[in-house]
Amino acid sequence: GAVVSQHPSWVICKSGTSVKIECRSLDFQATTMFWYRQFPKQSLMLMATSNEGSKATYEQGVEKDKFLINHASLTLSTLTVTSAHPEDSSFYICSARYGPSGNTIYFGEGSWLTVV
Amino acid sequence: DAKTTQPPSMDCAEGRAANLPCNHSTISGNEYVYWYRQIHSQGPQYIIHGLKNNETNEMASLIITEDRKSSTLILPHATLRDTAVYYCIVRGMWDSTLTFGKGTMLLVSP
Repeated sequence: GAVVSQHPSWVICKSGTSVKIECRSLDFQATTMFWYRQFPKQSLMLMATSNEGSKATYEQGVEKDKFLINHASLTLSTLTVTSAHPEDSSFYICSARYGPSGNTIYFGEGSWLTVV
Repeated sequence: DAKTTQPPSMDCAEGRAANLPCNHSTISGNEYVYWYRQIHSQGPQYIIHGLKNNETNEMASLIITEDRKSSTLILPHATLRDTAVYYCIVRGMWDSTLTFGKGTMLLVSP
């Protein structure tokens, strides 16, 4: 299947700082990527849909000024958690639509964020 | 809102077939059934998807009932590495996203 890669796999940052997570489609171009968040023992929750060259669409309750998403190329989307707080500690996962019809969505390995 | 119902957990002996059920009684004609699994601390892995015909690939088989109100994911020879949470997701042809429910925690034991 298609490969989606995230970096970093895990990161620890101090409260009040910002951290950037990258999501790359390695062997295909993705006009649409998605960002999810998963807290321990819970399911994945969609945060936002990222479209190449345009503004991201955020789900209700997700602060767009706190979670900045940039999709500047067909193979890269970034999520920046600004002014991070301990409650932002979570597992962040990106995904990308693959194929002419976009019927299949592939996920990255996920990025663990711990805010101390 | 998740459109599917799955048992919260299942057990399977290593080497045996694992049959994971999913109910999707409100599925509409243009909606596909997708299966993903998530091994602990990893991103979800695509397994298979189908519309109305049964599907098979190197990982699993997907059996969809004729009325499309339920389906079964079959792992023909489960291994310990198949221990994961399995998500059954209904997604429309034109839907861009996947909505995850709680899935089924499959535990494969020696």
